[in-house]
Amino acid sequence: DQQVKQNSPSLSVQEGRISILNCDYTNSMFDYFLWYKKYPAEGPTFLISISSIKDKNEDGRFTVFLNKSAKHLSLHIVPSQPGDSAVYFCAASPDETGANNLFFGTGTRLTVIP
Amino acid sequence: DADVTQTPRNRITKTGKRIMLECSQTKGHDRMYWYRQDPGLGLRLIYYSFDVKDINKGEISDGYSVSRQAQAKFSLSLESAIPNQTALYFCATSRGDYNEQFFGPGTRLTVL
Repeated sequence: DQQVKQNSPSLSVQEGRISILNCDYTNSMFDYFLWYKKYPAEGPTFLISISSIKDKNEDGRFTVFLNKSAKHLSLHIVPSQPGDSAVYFCAASPDETGANNLFFGTGTRLTVIP
Repeated sequence: DADVTQTPRNRITKTGKRIMLECSQTKGHDRMYWYRQDPGLGLRLIYYSFDVKDINKGEISDGYSVSRQAQAKFSLSLESAIPNQTALYFCATSRGDYNEQFFGPGTRLTVL
């Protein structure tokens, strides 16, 4: 049973525009959320995270929004650049400390068109 | 630079063969993980280890075994490989007090 879902397998966006990647989860115990980015032939790399005490976290061009009542989070990339083309995974955990494992979504492949 | 390495990077094997995938890390992390990635299924946890003496099954451990030879080394074995174990395998590490995981480059395994 997939506890973390990314319902859009792919997304194409023009360079300079906003990319919005969505993620839904079913387990109300999840309290900490992460986004990973994966290029071909490489392992996933950590991008940004958010704790449930916040509803927004920003790091440069990347912003993650969390709506706990809807069990939904989204990653906004503004402006999108061709180098952002990758597969993005969201992940969730009951805590930030590492006492519990991460549960990953199925990934969304983002293509930024020059 | 501190890193997570995996060997081999690519492997083609036949049904019924035993195969071992190896992971080494220089990050000094206590925790190590093995995941597999399949198209449309994302990353699924096979086994994890919180220290050398601690081994735990993940979501999809059937058909796999692991060995934590040292803090820095965590190996995944397929005792008798089958075609549906064809996948991309990732090793990851994390500190004991924080849930960000660091991934190796992956091993692409094909079982014919």
